Amino acid sequence: GNSVTQMEGPVTLSEEAFLTINCTYTATGYPSLFWYVQYPGEGLQLLLKATKADDKGSNKGFEATYRKETTSFHLEKGSVQVSDSAVYFCALRNGNQFYFGTGTSLTVIP
Amino acid sequence: DAGVIQSPRHEVTEMGQEVTLRCKPISGHNSLFWYRQTMMRGLELLIYFNNNVPIDDSGMPEDRFSAKMPNASFSTLKIQPSEPRDSAVYFCASFAGAEKLFFGSGTQLSVL
Repeated sequence: GNSVTQMEGPVTLSEEAFLTINCTYTATGYPSLFWYVQYPGEGLQLLLKATKADDKGSNKGFEATYRKETTSFHLEKGSVQVSDSAVYFCALRNGNQFYFGTGTSLTVIP
Repeated sequence: DAGVIQSPRHEVTEMGQEVTLRCKPISGHNSLFWYRQTMMRGLELLIYFNNNVPIDDSGMPEDRFSAKMPNASFSTLKIQPSEPRDSAVYFCASFAGAEKLFFGSGTQLSVL
């Protein structure tokens, strides 16, 4: 079947710290992979995506590489800011179906 | 484009009452999803429509929940009768086959 597992939160970091949020997946076929971000009181919005193995998605300083051999899509940022505080969801798309992880809450303190 | 529009933003009701949540997808999008978000269970897919037809409703918790999509520009999620455990944020999302899923701002439902 299709599923996404991401690291449990919450995660609290100081400003300018390095961020990694782990995500692994199981899927049939060749899914596309996504990271969505949810700011307080809002819906989810796409942060970045990768559609095939070894692709790197990037946006706003965040990066994630589609690793087929380890079935992973870990989210990284070299230097987080207070404004990055949000909930981050890893997701995969297979056909017209989307499968989301449980979300990881990130709080960045000044 | 105004994006996916959900109403109401907040709904407070008493146990046993009927609740109707509404969604207007982005024009031209042919797939629509209803999700429920809670602290305990995260983001759960309730039902998915393609071209106004329900394709997968296996996530609908029980018969108290029903969803319709009478046309390409409108969908409803109804809970009758509502219970306190239905309290959650309900999201609608639409998709046009171009990779990206667009979410509405959600409806915060509180059942007292």
